[in-house]
Amino acid sequence: GQQLNQSPQSMFIQEGEDVSMNCTSSSIFNTWLWYKQDPGEGPVLLIALYKAGELTSNGRLTAQFGITRKDSFLNISASIPSDVGIYFCAGQLKGAQKLVFGQGTRLTINP
Amino acid sequence: DAGITQSPRHKVTETGTPVTLRCHQTENHRYMYWYRQDPGHGLRLIHYSYGVKDTDKGEVSDGYSVSRSKTEDFLLTLESATSSQTSVYFCAISESDRGTEAFFGQGTRLTVV
Repeated sequence: GQQLNQSPQSMFIQEGEDVSMNCTSSSIFNTWLWYKQDPGEGPVLLIALYKAGELTSNGRLTAQFGITRKDSFLNISASIPSDVGIYFCAGQLKGAQKLVFGQGTRLTINP
Repeated sequence: DAGITQSPRHKVTETGTPVTLRCHQTENHRYMYWYRQDPGHGLRLIHYSYGVKDTDKGEVSDGYSVSRSKTEDFLLTLESATSSQTSVYFCAISESDRGTEAFFGQGTRLTVV
């Protein structure tokens, strides 16, 4: 079953606002990834995190690997229309080969 | 874009018929994955491959089989399609066994009627 809880499930914001979303689990992860999916397309990797406490930025996006290794967050600053889409967190469980995905956060931006 | 091609992009099939989806890569990556995406469930792993003729099950493998006879091709087969298998299917490739840095194809929308 699903081992990652991603929240919120959806967000409706104004252009220019900052966005924050997170993923939590009761399990320990070795790796956290954040993906964005545009309509009709496959997910595209935004940020990869490999160490507990790691904070990584990619332009206006910032993500952190939680100290407990059970959570991660993604922030988007000064949102723009092209940020619209579905954002997924994914994690590699300790001792496992495969990724587990969150349910996704659907971001809608009002101009 | 990573060189991943999924075919077909869209398919409508009848319940009980066999269906094969193809994933073709030009990156020579060792690892290939099949996921399905359904509302409220994110992406769930069906099967994956860690080399030619080496495959393993994911979390939702029932009703699906896979084959990988060449590095570049990974086939997903629904032996007898059911309505519950209506979904969007994504192929992904990775150089790492951790599934990190995984690159996804554009997806195949399958409808079973």
